[in-house]
Amino acid sequence: NAGVTQTPKFRVLKTGQSMTLLCAQDMNHEYMYWYRQDPGMGLRLIHYSVGEGTTAKGEVPDGYNVSRLKKQNFLLGLESAAPSQTSVYFCASSRILGEQYFGPGTRLTVT
Amino acid sequence: DAKTTQPTSMDCAEGRAANLPCNHSTISGNEYVYWYRQIHSQGPQYIIHGLKNNETNEMASLIITEDRKSSTLILPHATLRDTAVYYCIVIDNYGQNFVFGPGTRLSVLP
Repeated sequence: NAGVTQTPKFRVLKTGQSMTLLCAQDMNHEYMYWYRQDPGMGLRLIHYSVGEGTTAKGEVPDGYNVSRLKKQNFLLGLESAAPSQTSVYFCASSRILGEQYFGPGTRLTVT
Repeated sequence: DAKTTQPTSMDCAEGRAANLPCNHSTISGNEYVYWYRQIHSQGPQYIIHGLKNNETNEMASLIITEDRKSSTLILPHATLRDTAVYYCIVIDNYGQNFVFGPGTRLSVLP
């Protein structure tokens, strides 16, 4: 099993550009999450999903959109990137009750 | 509001037990204590969790006080590879909003 994978690993965007981050899990987990981590800080939850076709806002949802069209995939979109969105983005998945498994992260720089 | 408080940093000698404390004085009866760690810039890794009783797995032990207002994560024989930031998180059965605070930066010294 690959676990949780994230695509891409690195990306540089210019202000105003858009992009989509892909998260995939092969553990048949119901829950999936997107976090961001700024330098020297803990993780902050952006959006999460409790099942296919459902999404919900986390602590810092502004400027991001998500979709969960398939159970195994969770997409994070930035419609108009801003320098404040420069961060490392982590995806995670979990069973309804249980520990979260994290991906390796995507390092995004917005110039 | 932060539900947990942890020391900013700790040192531990290699081969010794590392005891990482966490205060969660406002914990509710249905809330679990979870521990994760993050090594360098990798994604966080689940370590252990518990509700009331002490728990042990292949990685660590979790000691929860009787009043459940604090807990201690114990790494019995710390190695250099245990150097990481350790996060203590409190969440209920149905909560999805894991709040990762700053955590404790553990340095295992040779």
